[in-house]
Amino acid sequence: DTEVTQTPKHLVMGMTNKKSLKCEQHMGHRAMYWYKQKAKKPPELMFVYSYEKLSINESVPSRFSPECPNSSLLNLHLHALQPEDSALYLCASSPGGYNEQFFGPGTRLTVL
Amino acid sequence: AQSVTQPDIHITVSEGASLELRCNYSYGATPYLFWYVQSPGQGLQLLLKYFSGDTLVQGIKGFEAEFKRSQSSFNLRKPSVHWSDAAEYFCAVARSGGYQKVTFGIGTKLQVIP
Repeated sequence: DTEVTQTPKHLVMGMTNKKSLKCEQHMGHRAMYWYKQKAKKPPELMFVYSYEKLSINESVPSRFSPECPNSSLLNLHLHALQPEDSALYLCASSPGGYNEQFFGPGTRLTVL
Repeated sequence: AQSVTQPDIHITVSEGASLELRCNYSYGATPYLFWYVQSPGQGLQLLLKYFSGDTLVQGIKGFEAEFKRSQSSFNLRKPSVHWSDAAEYFCAVARSGGYQKVTFGIGTKLQVIP
């Protein structure tokens, strides 16, 4: 299995809702990433997990809460989001070291 | 701090014509460089990467890129563009380590006309 999967593909939520995004990889990669991408912009790094530990938090608001339950799974818990948080959320994984990141197809999030 | 500049926001080429997308980077040490492609609403797919060795790297879909340290450039080329190449192209730079903090350029949108 050489892909990163993300669910759901699309998510619409209100500002008071709690939802979660899920990312999964079975390539044995030890690093996993969350990115946020607004329209016509490059991906912006949010979080990095290395060996299931949070290694980088790019000053992301606390309404975004990442979780790495095991080496194959990465979640992003969402609560009290704002309309400006509407974006494509991309997950990626990498073996680390000199290797590239493998991206999932993304979750298109709309906050009403 | 590492950074990437893609000077062309939008490029239009005719199908069958050659293509060159420009990328300049800023990084204090030897960079790790990538080109990714993204179709609308999709994730990013790696076209090619450079870590060391031969400065001309071959990628998927007939793309190649050349690393020029003296010019801090990593331009992407393709000799003959196909309509299916229309997409957004991102150049990226990263540092080594157990994980990588990748910095992306702003992207170049490629339009292919018949």
